[in-house]
Amino acid sequence: SQKIEQNSEALNIQEGKTATLTCNYTNYSPAYLQWYRQDPGRGPVFLLLIRENEKEKRKERLKVTFDTTLKQSLFHITASQPADSATYLCALALSSRQLTFGSGTQLTVLP
Amino acid sequence: DTAVSQTPKYLVTQMGNDKSIKCEQNLGHDTMYWYKQDSKKFLKIMFSYNNKELIINETVPNRFSPKSPDKAHLNLHINSLELGDSAVYFCASSQDDQYGYTFGSGTRLTVV
Repeated sequence: SQKIEQNSEALNIQEGKTATLTCNYTNYSPAYLQWYRQDPGRGPVFLLLIRENEKEKRKERLKVTFDTTLKQSLFHITASQPADSATYLCALALSSRQLTFGSGTQLTVLP
Repeated sequence: DTAVSQTPKYLVTQMGNDKSIKCEQNLGHDTMYWYKQDSKKFLKIMFSYNNKELIINETVPNRFSPKSPDKAHLNLHINSLELGDSAVYFCASSQDDQYGYTFGSGTRLTVV
């Protein structure tokens, strides 16, 4: 069956370090992959999208990679700050207008 | 202006009642969605509407019925509420497959 797994439920890192979050999937052939940020009591906020034919995408301190052979995406936040603390969700687009989410990784950046 | 707004933000109701959650988007997007987020924070799609037509209907009980009077609104009506319906329900919209979704702030439904 189709499955999306994010590496860990919680990740703690020190301020200034690079946070790396992992999203693995099985039995999917997604057209593209998205990353979202969700703060407590709020809806998810779109961060980045990467297509199946793209290896890497950057936006400010964020970087996403997409390896369709490994069926994995890595999400990096460089020079992390306490304000980056949130839950990060990966989501795969399988078909038109059908976005399926992973369970999320709660990131805490310690000052 | 809030891009995707849903009301109410909180809803506490008794088992067996019927309730509605409203959603409106002012982004001009063609597609709107309802997602359910359970206690483990897992987001699961329930419905999707494109230009007022249902295009996805995941395996949700038929007690849940989406209604879209126009492409800016997608309401969710729930009949005969059950304890297991307690969750946070998110409305979202999108314009194109290749851009992100815009989510509302959620409606926390508690069935007692």
